[in-house]
Amino acid sequence: KAGVTQTPRYLIKTRGQQVTLSCSPISGHRSVSWYQQTPGQGLQFLFEYFSETQRNKGNFPGRFSGRQFSNSRSEMNVSTLELGDSALYLCASSAGTRPEAQPQHFGDGTRLSIL
Amino acid sequence: QQPVQSPQAVILREGEDAVINCSSSKALYSVHWYRQKHGEAPVFLMILLKGGEQKGHEKISASFNEKKQQSSLYLTASQLSYSGTYFCGTEIAGGTSYGKLTFGQGTILTVHP
Repeated sequence: KAGVTQTPRYLIKTRGQQVTLSCSPISGHRSVSWYQQTPGQGLQFLFEYFSETQRNKGNFPGRFSGRQFSNSRSEMNVSTLELGDSALYLCASSAGTRPEAQPQHFGDGTRLSIL
Repeated sequence: QQPVQSPQAVILREGEDAVINCSSSKALYSVHWYRQKHGEAPVFLMILLKGGEQKGHEKISASFNEKKQQSSLYLTASQLSYSGTYFCGTEIAGGTSYGKLTFGQGTILTVHP
């Protein structure tokens, strides 16, 4: 079974630009969560999508947005990039169903550098 | 609120044991444990549910104390491959935490030959 695929692996952008990151979940998984990882703040939750609906959102500004398509693939968009947005962006997929909590499986991430 | 992991770092010799703790101030539905090696993605180790029993995975096991809202990860007879940063991710009870894991700051484990 193929794992979670994130593209691109690396990105270099300048302040003020915008960027779109892509995540293809494990086949059959309907939930995609996005996280930002930085040395200072650690792993922080951005948002989660399930069946094309955003079910949960973290404490990030509105510049961070996402969406999910009918095939469960998800994209994350960051507009008006700031230096502080430099980070490793990870997506994780899971079955997303309750009541049993499901493990989240992470992709390799997209490393975003802002110049 | 972020769960608190302890210790922040552990140094072991091969074959030694270690315990990593994860404490939350909120009532939890589940605790997830991950290991991340430098430059790689976090790898899922195990999940513990409220009311569930202790889980095991090879020589790595974990427990969840609901009264204390604390989980512990046990690594026995450590191997060089166990080196990495261990994270606990918590899911808050209440049914609204869909897909949201709140991670601890991580515990750096180093195993020497």
